[in-house]
This record gives sequence, C-alpha cells and structure tokens, in this order.
Amino acid sequence: QVQLVQSGAEVKKPGSSVKVSCKASGDTFSSSILSWVRQAPGQGLEWMGRIVPLFDTPKYAQKFQGRVTITADESTSTVYIDLSSLTSEDTAIYYCAREHRAYSYAYYFWGQGTLVTVSS
Amino acid sequence: SYELTQPPSVSVSPGQTASITCSGDKLEYGYISWYQQKPGQSPVLIIYQDDKRPSGIPERFSGSNSGNTATLTISGTQAMDEADYYCQAWDTTTLFGGGTKLTVL
Repeated sequence: QVQLVQSGAEVKKPGSSVKVSCKASGDTFSSSILSWVRQAPGQGLEWMGRIVPLFDTPKYAQKFQGRVTITADESTSTVYIDLSSLTSEDTAIYYCAREHRAYSYAYYFWGQGTLVTVSS
Repeated sequence: SYELTQPPSVSVSPGQTASITCSGDKLEYGYISWYQQKPGQSPVLIIYQDDKRPSGIPERFSGSNSGNTATLTISGTQAMDEADYYCQAWDTTTLFGGGTKLTVL
C-alpha cells in the first residue's frame, strides 16, 4: 500500500525559501503523478504543481511560476517542493498527494501535511 | 481563468439529504472528484469519475455531473459527515473548488 510521509514543520523568515519533502513507499514511484497542494489557515485547497518522476518534467500552477520548483529523487522515492521569496501569505499546510489509477487518477493518497510558517 | 464554484456552507438535519454543488464552465468536458476533509486531517477521496465511490466509502455518498454543475449528495446524513467538502477537476492543471462547510444540525 502506498504511504506518503512528509518532513516536519518549518518556520521561515520572509524572503527566504523552504524545501519540503515527501517520501513515498509502495510501488510504481517513477511512473506515478505526485502533486503538491497547500491549504492556508481557514482556507481551501490550492494545487501548486505536479511531477512524474519518470519524465522529470514538472507542471506548475501559473500563480507559482518562477517561485516554485518540484523535483523527484527516484533513488529514494522522494519528491520535493521548493518555494522561494516567502511571504506571510505562504503560511500554510503543504500536502503531497498521489493519484490512484484505479480511481481515474484522482488523489487517493495524501501525506500527513507539513506546516510552513512564515514570520519575522 | 477556469474556476470551480461551491457554496461556502450547507446545513442539513441528521437523517436528511445534503446536496453540495460545484459549478464551472468546462465540467462537461472532464471528470469531477470530491474530497472530504475533517479538521486537522488530510483530505479523503469520496467520489471519483463524477459518480463512483472508492472502496470503503459509504453508499450514502453519491455524485452526479450534468452540464456545468456537479453535485455531491449525502443521503441519510450523519453527524460524522460534518466536514469540509471540495470538488476537483482537471483543465491543463488541477483545480479545486473553494470548499463547502457541511454542518449537521
């Protein structure tokens, strides 16, 4: 069974960068679609981008273009999101999510979430 | 840009039917998924491909998609169904609706 385990909470200064990891267990990491979704306090879900490790060509939401980088390390089955130029509006829980092919590629597997707090 | 619109809140009495809508111009061109999220927890997939339930999801959850509106229906709503619900679609990227808080009064 697929499990997604994320790195721990982060506190960052405005203007800095943060890198959050998500380690996947189970099979087919290389051909899976791994996405990052964030949720600001009291707000809804916001898709940030995705990557298929086998192809290593990420796709990003337009809102984050130029400020976000998603990478994958096939040797450790880990996906990363790097977000730069942080502001207080980036304070959120960041989730990694993976599709389930039996469920039409909907996001069936979710990490536990990583709280990123941006504060001076 | 393409958006999915949900009502911010829906209230229902226990045992009654709750309906949560998700509207968007391009819904007819792709599948909708629905997620349930309870406080402090990660989202859970409850409907995929418009109207299908993953294994383990109770039958009281159902979905439909017609034209520009998708609907999540919860029949015989229980107190445990009180949560936030999100619709999700694909355009060139992934889109989520703004979410609906379901209150079971």
